[in-house]
Amino acid sequence: GNSVTQMEGPVTLSEEAFLTINCTYTATGYPSLFWYVQYPGEGLQLLLKATKADDKGSNKGFEATYRKETTSFHLEKGSVQVSDSAVYFCALIMIKAAGNKLTFGGGTRVLVKP
Amino acid sequence: GAGVSQSPRYKVAKRGQDVALRCDPISGHVSLFWYQQALGQGPEFLTYFQNEAQLDKSGLPSDRFFAERPEGSVSTLKIQRTQQEDSAVYLCASSFRLAGEITDTQYFGPGTRLTVL
Repeated sequence: GNSVTQMEGPVTLSEEAFLTINCTYTATGYPSLFWYVQYPGEGLQLLLKATKADDKGSNKGFEATYRKETTSFHLEKGSVQVSDSAVYFCALIMIKAAGNKLTFGGGTRVLVKP
Repeated sequence: GAGVSQSPRYKVAKRGQDVALRCDPISGHVSLFWYQQALGQGPEFLTYFQNEAQLDKSGLPSDRFFAERPEGSVSTLKIQRTQQEDSAVYLCASSFRLAGEITDTQYFGPGTRLTVL
């Protein structure tokens, strides 16, 4: 079946540090890829997405590139802020007529210290 | 406009009780999903509706779990004879499937945290 593996946390960083969260996937076919973020006390929010190989999704200073050859979708941000403290989930969808259910990784907690 | 809302936000049940969790999707969204998120883990798919039709219920863990969306808007997830392993956050998401758009965004509600004692 389809699966997503992401690095375990927590990841603790200082403000303005560089952040990378690794994500790899296994899928029978050609998925669309997503990063969702869950801020403390809030629901899941879409952060960015990419639907085909070599696409780069970007939002709020975060970027991720769909790498088909390495089945990866690593999340990066060049300079994190305290407000980026959250849990980040990598996910995929296999497009089919009956619906687009998300398959999530286990989540990576990020804590940014001032 | 309003986002996806869920109620109650917190539910404590004694083992063996039945519970009902409600989801109000974004108005006009035809697709509705339920996910289960255990503590410290990623959400896992339970079931999917397109309007009132339940097209995929492959993720429901047992026949104690039942979901409905009778008028194609509000949905209810019912769990009968709750067990301790049912303790989790139950997330609802909706999406508006636009013609020609192959990947439409799922918008999530805040979830219902169920604790079974």
